[in-house]
Amino acid sequence: AQTVTQSQPEMSVQEAETVTLSCTYDTSENNYYLFWYKQPPSRQMILVIRQEAYKQQNATENRFSVNFQKAAKSFSLKISDSQLGDTAMYFCALSGGSEKLVFGKGTKLTVNP
Amino acid sequence: NAGVTQTPKFQVLKTGQSMTLQCAQDMNHEYMSWYRQDPGMGLRLIHYSVGAGITDQGEVPNGYNVSRSTTEDFPLRLLSAAPSQTSVYFCASSSGGGWSTEAFFGQGTRLTVV
Repeated sequence: AQTVTQSQPEMSVQEAETVTLSCTYDTSENNYYLFWYKQPPSRQMILVIRQEAYKQQNATENRFSVNFQKAAKSFSLKISDSQLGDTAMYFCALSGGSEKLVFGKGTKLTVNP
Repeated sequence: NAGVTQTPKFQVLKTGQSMTLQCAQDMNHEYMSWYRQDPGMGLRLIHYSVGAGITDQGEVPNGYNVSRSTTEDFPLRLLSAAPSQTSVYFCASSSGGGWSTEAFFGQGTRLTVV
């Protein structure tokens, strides 16, 4: 079975500061993929970043980067230079080589001016 | 390029009524899924499909039915609506290779059962 756990229901950060969202997961697969999706108030789901488990290097997309710890089954998202537009729900997701994509419960991030 | 289209965007049902949520994608994606989103629960998988004619149950399938007669369409049927099915429903699709690449989502359907 694949599971994803996000232990921080809500977080807040000041504009221009850095924030890290946590995610742990479990899968029995050797080859799997991890994702962070952003859901702003518009409800649209937007891919933030993607990590392939067999790649050692942590994925980076502009101000967004991950800390992928495979042995610990941890996949945290770091947002640098936070902007007001980063205010959203953030979901960690796992595709473990099966036919399913499973999500965590989400972290509601608020960026304060 | 429309991507994933869900209809309707909003719906109010009475307890016991049935309805179908429509989902269509124009990207020739084999993989499609239905999720429901409830406060504090994240996105929970209802049903999924890996191609036309193939469907399977996800985490919360009870009260819902699906079929996949074409690659493009993946409708979700509520057989007899209950207040517990009040939720926001999302349809998603992904290209072949499973969900290893970006998933594309519809805009969601907000369903209220009274």
